[in-house]
Amino acid sequence: DAEITQSPRHKITETGRQVTLACHQTWNHNNMFWYRQDLGHGLRLIHYSYGVQDTNKGEVSDGYSVSRSNTEDLPLTLESAASSQTSVYFCASSDRGAYNEQFFGPGTRLTVL
Amino acid sequence: QKEVEQDPGPLSVPEGAIVSLNCTYSNSAFQYFMWYRQYSRKGPELLMYTYSSGNKEDGRFTAQVDKSSKYISLFIRDSQPSDSATYLCAMSAGSNTGKLIFGQGTTLQVKP
Repeated sequence: DAEITQSPRHKITETGRQVTLACHQTWNHNNMFWYRQDLGHGLRLIHYSYGVQDTNKGEVSDGYSVSRSNTEDLPLTLESAASSQTSVYFCASSDRGAYNEQFFGPGTRLTVL
Repeated sequence: QKEVEQDPGPLSVPEGAIVSLNCTYSNSAFQYFMWYRQYSRKGPELLMYTYSSGNKEDGRFTAQVDKSSKYISLFIRDSQPSDSATYLCAMSAGSNTGKLIFGQGTTLQVKP
């Protein structure tokens, strides 16, 4: 069965460290998205990609970067982790088109001390 | 002002109650309206999807869209403890971007 996975599921890091969160999907979807979820804010879009070598900034992209070298993966990098980046991070993917369901991964809980 | 507003709750109801969850939005270009359900410590999953105005029913769930009022609703009939979750509304202008704008989510607890 096709799926979308994230790793690690939990991560504790220190302020200033670089952190990379992995996202891997086997749906063969063109579109991939990274969100963060915080109490009172719902899901906020960080970065997204419509295909290999394509990346775009979302609503809250400062301090984050992504790269898309193949269809299956969209790693999210925190350049220099800050306590404000403590959050739950979700990766999602969808097929091309005006509307297509986004399939979400299980999330990564990141704590920055 | 956020593009999509959703009362975060929490909302607590007894089993068997009718639940009404609502979102308002400001962007008149939105055409696709979705409800996602998120169980604790899980990723969101699509529950209902509606295009433009009108109602859509799926079992105990009814999604309603009123574009004139920029207001969408999700009704749950005969609510069950297994319906306890966070419900997120999401919307798209349908411009082939695939991007969704999410509400803050409403946490629902259904007590046995």
